[in-house]
Amino acid sequence: QQPVQSPQAVILREGEDAVINCSSSKALYSVHWYRQKHGEAPVFLMILLKGGEQKGHEKISASFNEKKQQSSLYLTASQLSYSGTYFCGTGRSGGSNYKLTFGKGTLLTVNP
Amino acid sequence: DTGVSQNPRHKITKRGQNVTFRCDPISEHNRLYWYRQTLGQGPEFLTYFQNEAQLEKSRLLSDRFSAERPKGSFSTLEIQRTEQGDSAMYLCASSLGLAGGNTGELFFGEGSRLTVL
Repeated sequence: QQPVQSPQAVILREGEDAVINCSSSKALYSVHWYRQKHGEAPVFLMILLKGGEQKGHEKISASFNEKKQQSSLYLTASQLSYSGTYFCGTGRSGGSNYKLTFGKGTLLTVNP
Repeated sequence: DTGVSQNPRHKITKRGQNVTFRCDPISEHNRLYWYRQTLGQGPEFLTYFQNEAQLEKSRLLSDRFSAERPKGSFSTLEIQRTEQGDSAMYLCASSLGLAGGNTGELFFGEGSRLTVL
């Protein structure tokens, strides 16, 4: 039931773009995206809800394909501060979004 | 409000001892969650409270784990007879849910790191 994230790791130069994918085998109600820096708590980036509603970060965009049970996070013109591990958390369809199942994460490194 | 507060931040204990972690959520948040995170993994759901009611507990959680949220404010997570496999970061989070135009985001604390020797 754990969503699968890809790639596992990506290295960018400042200013480059990246896409992180999250795929689930179960029907989803919501997808959350969080970023965690080493030794710190995860920080909310965005939530995508079934039906197309999105709430979150102004400079980061994401998509949610309900039929394919997939979400993608788009990081454009990356900055050094984007470095960290990105987690998607999925909320199951038919249940409350309170119980999120997180993927294993994607480690993003942005170099100067 | 300074966010979600957890203590202790670090706990080293011997196998078989009991440990208790405390979480103080953001004051107006009615939802409180406990997650566990090990190295290289995403947070794993343990349990969820809405106000003082514990609405769900992970089936992966053994009977050695218990959580409370008296009066719907702070919460405690107790682990009895600790085992080496309990070593992990224990994360608490709180939220308002999605109603009323809220984002539903989880606000995480910085965690309590448990090492069982």
